[in-house]
Amino acid sequence: GENVEQHPSTLSVQEGDSAVIKCTYSDSASNYFPWYKQELGKRPQLIIDIRSNVGEKKDQRIAVTLNKTAKHFSLHITETQPEDSAVYFCAASQDSGYSTLTFGKGTMLLVSP
Amino acid sequence: KAGVTQTPRYLIKTRGQQVTLSCSPISGHRSVSWYQQTPGQGLQFLFEYFSETQRNKGNFPGRFSGRQFSNSRSEMNVSTLELGDSALYLCASSYFRDRPTGELFFGEGSRLTVL
Repeated sequence: GENVEQHPSTLSVQEGDSAVIKCTYSDSASNYFPWYKQELGKRPQLIIDIRSNVGEKKDQRIAVTLNKTAKHFSLHITETQPEDSAVYFCAASQDSGYSTLTFGKGTMLLVSP
Repeated sequence: KAGVTQTPRYLIKTRGQQVTLSCSPISGHRSVSWYQQTPGQGLQFLFEYFSETQRNKGNFPGRFSGRQFSNSRSEMNVSTLELGDSALYLCASSYFRDRPTGELFFGEGSRLTVL
């Protein structure tokens, strides 16, 4: 089955810095790669996703890049703010309906003012 | 519209007991999937139901089971509880009618503690 590795497990940055979280996946059949943000005590929520026919996608301060050949994808957050502090999960799916996800173990991002 | 609702939110059980958790998806969503969240393993897929049928199953023992009703509400059951079953159990809904939503909408979870 699919295996998703995520690094780093914790990341501390100063407000205004950039943050990068990296994930690798094992199954070349995976074609959908979402990122979820989970604030302390809250439910995970989708922040951005990318499909295998796209190399990069941006949404304001966040962007995701995908390298299908190397089987890795990354989340980039620019101009970090304290409210970006949360646990971020990458995931992969080969399910045509994207309803079955294999998650990485998460990255705790702490943004200090 | 109302989000995904999970009950109970918190529960404490002892080893050997069984537990049933309930999930009501967003109105119109037909898929319900369940995930186990623990500090060491992150989010792990348990199973997914669509139109009362289990479509996918994760790598969990047979003690973990589920079902979905005709109104798309879902329940999961864990029998013969073990200490390692202590976790946050999250359900997520998707598939508005027959179309993928492209996003999982999670509930707030049921936190199970096994003593």
